[in-house]
Amino acid sequence: QELLVQSGAEVKKPGASVTVSCKASGFTVTDYHFHWVRQAPGHGLEWMGWINPDSGDTNYAPKIQGRVTMTTDTSINTVYMELNRLKSDDTAVYYCARDRPRGMDVWGQGTMVTVSS
Amino acid sequence: DIQMTQSPSSLSASVGDRVTITCQASQDISNSLNWYQQKPGKVPELLIYDASTLETGVPSRFSGSGSGTDFTFTISRLQPEDIATYYCHQYDDLPFTFGQGTKLEIK
Repeated sequence: QELLVQSGAEVKKPGASVTVSCKASGFTVTDYHFHWVRQAPGHGLEWMGWINPDSGDTNYAPKIQGRVTMTTDTSINTVYMELNRLKSDDTAVYYCARDRPRGMDVWGQGTMVTVSS
Repeated sequence: DIQMTQSPSSLSASVGDRVTITCQASQDISNSLNWYQQKPGKVPELLIYDASTLETGVPSRFSGSGSGTDFTFTISRLQPEDIATYYCHQYDDLPFTFGQGTKLEIK
């Protein structure tokens, strides 16, 4: 079965950093691109960026460019999203999703990140 | 960035009704459009890709159409389990972008 399993919930203070992991099973991460999508409480989906684990190429949404880094550790079949200089409006559920391509067909279960002083 | 404008933002319909949601892109995106369904408290699910192709396993009451800038998503006969928020998503040009969502409720 093809699955993405994300790391657990995080609580961070403003200005801190958070890293969310997304471990794939049942397939190899280098065969696909991976998106990161977030959803603030009561709000819609926001595309954050994506990574090609095979090449390491990334593309980030302008809103978070400069604060976000997406990486891969192919030895453990895992992709990561690091967000720095956290603000209260970064509070959201963060999802990783596999690009099939032309569609996100496998999603992680989501990771709640709460930013609060 | 390409802006995706979905309408309506919310919709109430009866079981068996035909439901239509529209999505307009701020520039030509050819047919590079997905539709996702997100049920309350759940992870989004891909329903349609390339504007009109049904993902494997998705019921045939769901359909999509359009190209260029104007797209439509239709549920032919609404079922109780279709209660969800629906999102369009363009993947023609980076950065990819979502519509703001349409929350569908049963009357």
